[in-house]
Amino acid sequence: DAGITQSPRHKVTETGTPVTLRCHQTENHRYMYWYRQDPGHGLRLIHYSYGVKDTDKGEVSDGYSVSRSKTEDFLLTLESATSSQTSVYFCAISEGTAIYGYTFGSGTRLTVV
Amino acid sequence: SQQGEEDPQALSIQEGENATMNCSYKTSINNLQWYRQNSGRGLVHLILIRSNEREKHSGRLRVTLDTSKKSSSLLITASRAADTASYFCATDKKAGNTPLVFGKGTRLSVIA
Repeated sequence: DAGITQSPRHKVTETGTPVTLRCHQTENHRYMYWYRQDPGHGLRLIHYSYGVKDTDKGEVSDGYSVSRSKTEDFLLTLESATSSQTSVYFCAISEGTAIYGYTFGSGTRLTVV
Repeated sequence: SQQGEEDPQALSIQEGENATMNCSYKTSINNLQWYRQNSGRGLVHLILIRSNEREKHSGRLRVTLDTSKKSSSLLITASRAADTASYFCATDKKAGNTPLVFGKGTRLSVIA
């Protein structure tokens, strides 16, 4: 998707290892979000950021941490990956909160074995 | 917890027919948005309707909002095979600047 990229696109990791997913934007948008998508649950918010070094928790934040040291990058870290964190992770950006549409990345498919 | 819930979960129609999907939500909102997701891809923003609007159009899309019933509908007219995708509604919460909460989606299949 234009202006937002996620890396890696696919990753397989072992239980107990730390994993970091990266979201990079070139739109200079203030807000960035991490969602996970699972069958039967739709998209659920993990964490979001409303500016550099400003972050807040979402609905399913346990086991995840985030960092935003630059406007363009928002990192999601699984501190010690578990099988329940096998999912597709989407990053999204927006100019403001819900009054603006979100632009989503293409997703990272993470498998924890 | 889910704010919006789409209905039906899955819908299969013939090309050229209209497709209607519904969304119900629980708390007061500032606006409601609809997104499309093609298989294996990220979500794409389709349309936003504000809480003081009742109907909005964009090309073959028509969205209605009934705040008294806390519900919205998305109508796709003259559907095409390329409309095959999952459709999600998303809402904020009226109190404060909150991120969007997405429903579980409706899977639409348009058969050529």
